Amino acid sequence: AQSVTQLGSHVSVSEGALVLLRCNYSSSVPPYLFWYVQYPNQGLQLLLKYTSAATLVKGINGFEAEFKKSETSFHLTKPSAHMSDAAEYFCAVGYTGGFKTIFGAGTRLFVKA
Amino acid sequence: ETGVTQTPRHLVMGMTNKKSLKCEQHLGHNAMYWYKQSAKKPLELMFVYSLEERVENNSVPSRFSPECPNSSHLFLHLHTLQPEDSALYLCASSQGDRGGSGYTFGSGTRLTVV
Repeated sequence: AQSVTQLGSHVSVSEGALVLLRCNYSSSVPPYLFWYVQYPNQGLQLLLKYTSAATLVKGINGFEAEFKKSETSFHLTKPSAHMSDAAEYFCAVGYTGGFKTIFGAGTRLFVKA
Repeated sequence: ETGVTQTPRHLVMGMTNKKSLKCEQHLGHNAMYWYKQSAKKPLELMFVYSLEERVENNSVPSRFSPECPNSSHLFLHLHTLQPEDSALYLCASSQGDRGGSGYTFGSGTRLTVV
């Protein structure tokens, strides 16, 4: 069965530091990959998506992610964290012909002043 | 108004009440979803509608009853709920079954069952 694993339920960084949120997936077919962000008391918002074009995907708010097929990974990065980046981040996998997107358990990002 | 709108934002109901959650999307999407988000648990897919037909029902208890009267509206009818049903209920929409379009989510309804 397909699955998505996010390493670390909580990540804490200092303001201005690199943000790295890890995501690995299991898939027997090429997937579509997504990162979503959820701020308190809000729904999820699409940050970026990989759909078999460029392996380095740029998203909103300065985030980017790189698809590495050999490592089955799709890690999310941002060079310099802002206080406003504090939120929960979800990695997700989708497939052609199906409606069931599989979400990871989420990683809560804390940003320290 | 654009995006996905959910009402109400907050709902407190007793276990014997009947209530409904409403979702409306203004994006022209043809698929709509209900998700349940509980504390410390992954997002749980409840129902999927494509072109107003239910295509997915993830073993959801019958006390949750979805309705999709048209491609822009989705309801979740609730009756005789249990305290463990307290959660954030999220509606989402997407364009088709291509899998790569991504979802647009509403802000959710925070449900508390007392």
